[in-house]
Amino acid sequence: ILNVEQSPQSLHVQEGDSTNFTCSFPSSNFYALHWYRWETAKSPEALFVMTLNGDEKKKGRISATLNTKEGYSYLYIKGSQPEDSATYLCAGSGGYQKVTFGIGTKLQVIP
Amino acid sequence: NAGVTQTPKFQVLKTGQSMTLQCAQDMNHNSMYWYRQDPGMGLRLIYYSASEGTTDKGEVPNGYNVSRLNKREFSLRLESAAPSQTSVYFCASSEGDRGDQPQHFGDGTRLSIL
Repeated sequence: ILNVEQSPQSLHVQEGDSTNFTCSFPSSNFYALHWYRWETAKSPEALFVMTLNGDEKKKGRISATLNTKEGYSYLYIKGSQPEDSATYLCAGSGGYQKVTFGIGTKLQVIP
Repeated sequence: NAGVTQTPKFQVLKTGQSMTLQCAQDMNHNSMYWYRQDPGMGLRLIYYSASEGTTDKGEVPNGYNVSRLNKREFSLRLESAAPSQTSVYFCASSEGDRGDQPQHFGDGTRLSIL
């Protein structure tokens, strides 16, 4: 099991601002790290899965980086838009099916 | 392409009643999962299944049973519902069995136990 912690728990930004959140985990037990986007009244949607130290992934204005040696991942949103408002979940795997989810970072983008 | 389908979407039960939540996926995924989501807490794993006929306990298995009868379907049963089981339940599936593939989620079942 790979326990993850996310910060901050919530975030308000103005439309057009760029922002980032953190997911931290114990580096000794790492196998894979997931990021999901969860809009209100919908189900979580996978953004990225990363396994290698130094991995960087991008999807439109959203990108993520991974540092397995120091045990953290950053999710970046460039030029936030109101439609980016959602809860962003981080989840970790220690190499088996069990994936442990963090509490999430709730992002509110103010028009 | 339906993805992961959960039924029902909503249910209200009385304490002590039993119920089965159904989940089916059409993506030919090996692994399937049941989670519950409660306010202020992350998704917590109840049970998972790496393949047809195999199941394993997750973080919060007490009060639940599961069945993986075939590759497509993974059901969750509450034998004697308790108010503490009031929650939103999500089923998910993924390829592989190492936790390095994204999970695909159903729309959830909102369950209230009175």
